[in-house]
Amino acid sequence: DAGITQSPRHKVTETGTPVTLRCHQTENHRYMYWYRQDPGHGLRLIHYSYGVKDTDKGEVSDGYSVSRSKTEDFLLTLESATSSQTSVYFCAISSSGTGAKETQYFGPGTRLLVL
Amino acid sequence: QQQVKQSPQSLIVQKGGISIINCAYENTAFDYFPWYQQFPGKGPALLIAIRPDVSEKKEGRFTISFNKSAKQFSLHIMDSQPGDSATYFCAAPSSGGYQKVTFGTGTKLQVIP
Repeated sequence: DAGITQSPRHKVTETGTPVTLRCHQTENHRYMYWYRQDPGHGLRLIHYSYGVKDTDKGEVSDGYSVSRSKTEDFLLTLESATSSQTSVYFCAISSSGTGAKETQYFGPGTRLLVL
Repeated sequence: QQQVKQSPQSLIVQKGGISIINCAYENTAFDYFPWYQQFPGKGPALLIAIRPDVSEKKEGRFTISFNKSAKQFSLHIMDSQPGDSATYFCAAPSSGGYQKVTFGTGTKLQVIP
């Protein structure tokens, strides 16, 4: 998976609790992305980062925040988890300033269940 | 938000047959259209990509056909094999900028012996 790890790989939590997912890369790529994957919706962009401390919203950012204090780490936080956030979360990286033209490399995913 | 409409949602093909997945997009300004392949329990991985200055690109058994005037592109898998059973996503750059990509909703392909 191109030097990308996600942790945890599986998590069960309760509604209203905060959750943080971590993406770690060893490729020194500039761009990092968080997606969620749900049946019938494909992959939807939550947030992305174009550098340390530089982040922007994707199409489904409500209820999520991100932080990137180091090139290699991109954190996704659910401030107060809801059942609608039950999903599989993927981190991705790409290397170019024109990132959409370059390959996005995906991590193995985190399966989150919110009860 | 660039919309990418993908069909069919699922597809069953016999071994040796041709699998065809279609995608339609809205914005004609973009010039890079990748396809990703995802096996169960794994993250998606780039399979093949095309730029609209060509109408077709072939890599092994996988071919992308591009119709710029219709704003459509298709993935053809020739001589489909059980190992091709996976979910396939088309994608296009999002209208918000080149750093973002919009994915289609995915096609689950099952190749039966």
